Amino acid sequence: DTAVSQTPKYLVTQMGNDKSIKCEQNLGHDTMYWYKQDSKKFLKIMFSYNNKELIINETVPNRFSPKSPDKAHLNLHINSLELGDSAVYFCASSQSPSQAFFGQGTRLTVV
Amino acid sequence: QKEVEQDPGPLSVPEGAIVSLNCTYSNSAFQYFMWYRQYSRKGPELLMYTYSSGNKEDGRFTAQVDKSSKYISLFIRDSQPSDSATYLCAMSTNTGNQFYFGTGTSLTVIP
Repeated sequence: DTAVSQTPKYLVTQMGNDKSIKCEQNLGHDTMYWYKQDSKKFLKIMFSYNNKELIINETVPNRFSPKSPDKAHLNLHINSLELGDSAVYFCASSQSPSQAFFGQGTRLTVV
Repeated sequence: QKEVEQDPGPLSVPEGAIVSLNCTYSNSAFQYFMWYRQYSRKGPELLMYTYSSGNKEDGRFTAQVDKSSKYISLFIRDSQPSDSATYLCAMSTNTGNQFYFGTGTSLTVIP
Protein backbone atom coordinates (compact mmCIF):
# COMPACT_ATOMS: atom_id res chain seq x y z
CA ASP A 1 0.00 0.00 0.00
CA THR A 2 2.43 2.65 -1.21
CA ALA A 3 1.25 6.11 -0.14
CA VAL A 4 2.86 8.08 -2.99
CA SER A 5 3.81 6.08 -6.04
CA GLN A 6 5.62 7.20 -9.17
CA THR A 7 6.18 5.47 -12.45
CA PRO A 8 8.55 4.75 -13.97
CA LYS A 9 11.33 4.40 -11.41
CA TYR A 10 14.04 4.66 -14.08
CA LEU A 11 13.86 6.44 -17.41
CA VAL A 12 16.69 6.52 -19.96
CA THR A 13 15.96 8.43 -23.14
CA GLN A 14 17.61 10.33 -25.95
CA MET A 15 17.85 14.08 -26.28
CA GLY A 16 14.88 15.59 -28.04
CA ASN A 17 12.40 12.95 -26.93
CA ASP A 18 9.19 13.62 -25.00
CA LYS A 19 8.47 11.65 -21.83
CA SER A 20 5.97 11.54 -18.98
CA ILE A 21 6.19 10.63 -15.32
CA LYS A 22 3.07 9.64 -13.41
CA CYS A 23 2.31 10.11 -9.74
CA GLU A 24 -0.55 8.89 -7.58
CA GLN A 25 -1.23 9.32 -3.87
CA ASN A 26 -3.74 7.35 -1.81
CA LEU A 27 -3.49 9.52 1.30
CA GLY A 28 -6.42 11.78 0.46
CA HIS A 29 -4.15 14.84 0.50
CA ASP A 30 -5.18 18.07 -1.20
CA THR A 31 -1.72 19.28 -2.20
CA MET A 32 0.77 17.60 -4.52
CA TYR A 33 4.23 18.66 -5.64
CA TRP A 34 6.97 17.96 -8.11
CA TYR A 35 10.54 18.39 -6.88
CA LYS A 36 13.79 18.01 -8.79
CA GLN A 37 16.83 16.63 -6.97
CA ASP A 38 20.20 17.39 -8.53
CA SER A 39 23.43 15.43 -8.22
CA LYS A 40 24.25 17.30 -5.00
CA LYS A 41 21.02 16.10 -3.39
CA PHE A 42 19.39 19.55 -3.41
CA LEU A 43 15.59 19.33 -3.66
CA LYS A 44 14.08 22.21 -5.60
CA ILE A 45 10.36 22.83 -6.00
CA MET A 46 9.06 22.78 -9.55
CA PHE A 47 5.29 22.79 -9.20
CA SER A 48 2.67 22.69 -6.50
CA TYR A 49 -1.01 21.85 -6.97
CA ASN A 50 -3.86 22.23 -4.52
CA ASN A 51 -7.11 20.46 -5.39
CA LYS A 52 -6.05 20.23 -9.05
CA GLU A 53 -5.22 23.93 -9.23
CA LEU A 54 -1.68 25.12 -9.95
CA ILE A 55 -0.44 27.29 -7.07
CA ILE A 56 3.33 27.25 -7.47
CA ASN A 57 5.18 27.35 -10.78
CA GLU A 58 8.83 28.01 -10.17
CA THR A 59 11.22 29.12 -12.90
CA VAL A 60 10.91 25.90 -14.83
CA PRO A 61 11.31 25.81 -18.63
CA ASN A 62 7.93 25.60 -20.36
CA ARG A 63 9.04 22.25 -21.81
CA PHE A 64 7.84 20.91 -18.44
CA SER A 65 4.08 20.71 -18.18
CA PRO A 66 2.30 19.29 -15.13
CA LYS A 67 -1.23 17.96 -15.28
CA SER A 68 -3.54 17.07 -12.43
CA PRO A 69 -6.59 15.13 -13.68
CA ASP A 70 -7.85 14.78 -10.10
CA LYS A 71 -6.46 15.55 -6.68
CA ALA A 72 -4.94 12.07 -6.31
CA HIS A 73 -2.86 12.31 -9.48
CA LEU A 74 -0.17 14.68 -10.68
CA ASN A 75 1.69 13.87 -13.87
CA LEU A 76 4.71 15.56 -15.39
CA HIS A 77 5.26 15.75 -19.13
CA ILE A 78 8.60 16.87 -20.50
CA ASN A 79 9.07 17.90 -24.13
CA SER A 80 12.30 18.02 -26.11
CA LEU A 81 14.45 16.54 -23.36
CA GLU A 82 17.91 18.03 -22.84
CA LEU A 83 21.03 16.64 -21.18
CA GLY A 84 20.55 19.08 -18.28
CA ASP A 85 17.18 17.55 -17.46
CA SER A 86 18.94 14.47 -16.08
CA ALA A 87 18.08 14.31 -12.39
CA VAL A 88 15.83 12.51 -9.94
CA TYR A 89 12.26 13.79 -9.94
CA PHE A 90 10.18 13.36 -6.82
CA CYS A 91 6.46 13.61 -6.41
CA ALA A 92 5.12 14.47 -2.96
CA SER A 93 1.82 15.16 -1.26
CA SER A 94 0.75 16.88 1.93
CA GLN A 95 -2.33 17.84 3.90
CA SER A 96 -0.62 20.29 6.25
CA PRO A 97 2.44 22.58 6.26
CA SER A 98 4.11 20.29 8.79
CA GLN A 99 4.94 17.35 6.58
CA ALA A 100 5.14 16.12 3.02
CA PHE A 101 5.27 12.51 1.90
CA PHE A 102 7.51 11.61 -0.99
CA GLY A 103 7.45 8.97 -3.67
CA GLN A 104 10.48 6.80 -4.41
CA GLY A 105 11.62 9.08 -7.23
CA THR A 106 12.10 8.77 -10.99
CA ARG A 107 15.72 8.72 -12.07
CA LEU A 108 15.80 10.39 -15.49
CA THR A 109 18.90 10.04 -17.64
CA VAL A 110 19.05 11.88 -20.94
CA VAL A 111 21.72 10.62 -23.35
CA GLN B 1 21.82 33.01 -1.11
CA LYS B 2 19.62 29.97 -0.55
CA GLU B 3 16.75 30.35 1.92
CA VAL B 4 17.97 27.31 3.85
CA GLU B 5 21.64 26.57 4.42
CA GLN B 6 22.96 23.19 5.52
CA ASP B 7 26.51 21.91 5.79
CA PRO B 8 26.75 19.07 3.23
CA GLY B 9 29.42 17.19 5.19
CA PRO B 10 30.24 14.41 4.72
CA LEU B 11 30.12 13.48 8.39
CA SER B 12 31.67 10.24 9.62
CA VAL B 13 31.27 9.08 13.23
CA PRO B 14 31.86 5.86 15.20
CA GLU B 15 28.91 3.79 16.29
CA GLY B 16 27.43 5.05 19.56
CA ALA B 17 28.46 8.67 19.00
CA ILE B 18 26.15 11.64 19.35
CA VAL B 19 25.54 13.32 16.02
CA SER B 20 24.60 16.97 15.61
CA LEU B 21 23.15 18.22 12.34
CA ASN B 22 22.27 21.86 11.77
CA CYS B 23 20.55 24.26 9.41
CA THR B 24 20.18 28.01 9.27
CA TYR B 25 17.55 29.96 7.41
CA SER B 26 16.73 33.50 6.43
CA ASN B 27 12.93 33.62 6.05
CA SER B 28 11.29 34.64 9.31
CA ALA B 29 7.90 33.43 7.96
CA PHE B 30 8.94 29.79 8.37
CA GLN B 31 6.84 28.17 11.10
CA TYR B 32 7.24 24.44 10.47
CA PHE B 33 10.61 22.73 10.65
CA MET B 34 11.19 19.18 9.49
CA TRP B 35 13.97 16.65 9.27
CA TYR B 36 14.01 14.02 6.56
CA ARG B 37 16.26 11.00 6.12
CA GLN B 38 17.10 9.80 2.64
CA TYR B 39 18.78 6.50 1.96
CA SER B 40 20.62 6.01 -1.31
CA ARG B 41 18.26 5.73 -4.29
CA LYS B 42 15.18 6.18 -2.09
CA GLY B 43 12.75 9.03 -1.46
CA PRO B 44 13.07 11.35 1.55
CA GLU B 45 11.36 9.96 4.64
CA LEU B 46 10.03 12.28 7.32
CA LEU B 47 11.75 11.77 10.69
CA MET B 48 10.08 14.47 12.73
CA TYR B 49 8.71 17.97 12.59
CA THR B 50 8.46 20.89 15.02
CA TYR B 51 6.15 23.84 15.02
CA SER B 52 7.76 27.19 15.91
CA SER B 53 10.50 27.25 18.56
CA GLY B 54 11.23 24.49 21.03
CA ASN B 55 12.42 20.93 21.36
CA LYS B 56 10.91 17.64 20.35
CA GLU B 57 12.17 14.18 21.17
CA ASP B 58 11.40 10.89 19.47
CA GLY B 59 13.44 7.94 20.65
CA ARG B 60 17.11 8.59 19.86
CA PHE B 61 16.27 11.73 17.86
CA THR B 62 15.86 15.26 19.24
CA ALA B 63 14.94 18.27 17.13
CA GLN B 64 15.56 21.81 18.34
CA VAL B 65 14.38 25.07 16.83
CA ASP B 66 15.64 28.52 17.81
CA LYS B 67 13.64 31.02 15.79
CA SER B 68 15.43 34.01 17.31
CA SER B 69 18.69 32.76 15.79
CA LYS B 70 17.03 31.16 12.74
CA TYR B 71 18.83 27.95 13.60
CA ILE B 72 17.59 24.37 13.82
CA SER B 73 19.32 21.19 14.93
CA LEU B 74 18.83 17.45 14.91
CA PHE B 75 20.63 15.33 17.48
CA ILE B 76 21.01 11.58 17.11
CA ARG B 77 22.01 9.72 20.27
CA ASP B 78 23.69 6.31 20.28
CA SER B 79 24.12 6.44 16.51
CA GLN B 80 23.83 3.16 14.63
CA PRO B 81 25.20 2.03 11.24
CA SER B 82 21.57 1.99 10.04
CA ASP B 83 21.50 5.77 10.60
CA SER B 84 23.93 6.17 7.69
CA ALA B 85 22.03 8.30 5.18
CA THR B 86 21.60 11.85 3.96
CA TYR B 87 19.69 14.09 6.38
CA LEU B 88 17.71 16.97 4.93
CA CYS B 89 16.20 19.82 6.86
CA ALA B 90 13.04 21.38 5.45
CA MET B 91 10.85 24.32 6.34
CA SER B 92 7.53 25.80 5.39
CA THR B 93 5.31 28.75 6.11
CA ASN B 94 1.71 28.44 7.30
CA THR B 95 0.45 28.03 3.74
CA GLY B 96 2.29 24.78 3.05
CA ASN B 97 2.44 25.71 -0.63
CA GLN B 98 6.01 24.50 -0.78
CA PHE B 99 8.71 23.02 1.39
CA TYR B 100 12.16 24.60 1.34
CA PHE B 101 15.01 22.15 1.71
CA GLY B 102 18.61 22.34 2.79
CA THR B 103 21.21 20.64 0.63
CA GLY B 104 21.41 17.65 2.97
CA THR B 105 24.21 16.30 5.17
CA SER B 106 25.67 12.91 4.33
CA LEU B 107 26.23 10.84 7.51
CA THR B 108 28.17 7.61 7.84
CA VAL B 109 28.17 5.70 11.12
CA ILE B 110 31.11 3.33 11.29
CA PRO B 111 30.60 0.03 13.17
